[in-house]
Amino acid sequence: DAGVIQSPRHEVTEMGQEVTLRCKPISGHDYLFWYRQTMMRGLELLIYFNNNVPIDDSGMPEDRFSAKMPNASFSTLKIQPSEPRDSAVYFCASRSLGPSGNTIYFGEGSWLTVV
Amino acid sequence: SQKIEQNSEALNIQEGKTATLTCNYTNYSPAYLQWYRQDPGRGPVFLLLIRENEKEKRKERLKVTFDTTLKQSLFHITASQPADSATYLCALIKAAGNKLTFGGGTRVLVKP
Repeated sequence: DAGVIQSPRHEVTEMGQEVTLRCKPISGHDYLFWYRQTMMRGLELLIYFNNNVPIDDSGMPEDRFSAKMPNASFSTLKIQPSEPRDSAVYFCASRSLGPSGNTIYFGEGSWLTVV
Repeated sequence: SQKIEQNSEALNIQEGKTATLTCNYTNYSPAYLQWYRQDPGRGPVFLLLIRENEKEKRKERLKVTFDTTLKQSLFHITASQPADSATYLCALIKAAGNKLTFGGGTRVLVKP
């Protein structure tokens, strides 16, 4: 399996622009997580889905952030409008409820810089 | 509030020695505790999982202990190698839960 695939790997955008981050989870995994990592706050869970349904979005910082999972193989995290404080690495991760169900597999991250 | 604390100072260690990292938590009753490795520019990679009713787990040169009374986990890398240099993150998950909450991580630098 190719693992969790995220795009873009790097994005530099101007304040006020819309940013869309994309994720393809591991095939067969029924949980998908979006995390954000910064030096100050570490790894924070933003939202997670189970079978394409958002279960907990309590970590989403504000209404400028939204996430969707239209099908089992694709999810997006959108920031509109973006602000400099959104600069961070955004990780997508997936997990199954199989024998290794407590293992979460992370993508390589999307490095976002908002100037 | 719930807290997961790891030593934020980097751990510098000589090759061949044992590196020991600490993960302390408060206001939390985890069912599982996990350790991940993160290399610069990469996503975290799962290493080990230990359950609340387990005291110790080993995998090759790695050993994890879990003391629910002290609310602490220790992570040991024995016979450390320069290739072990990375940031190590502990993470907790509650029983029947799905939210994995991470500590801030500890950077390890193994010098040849």
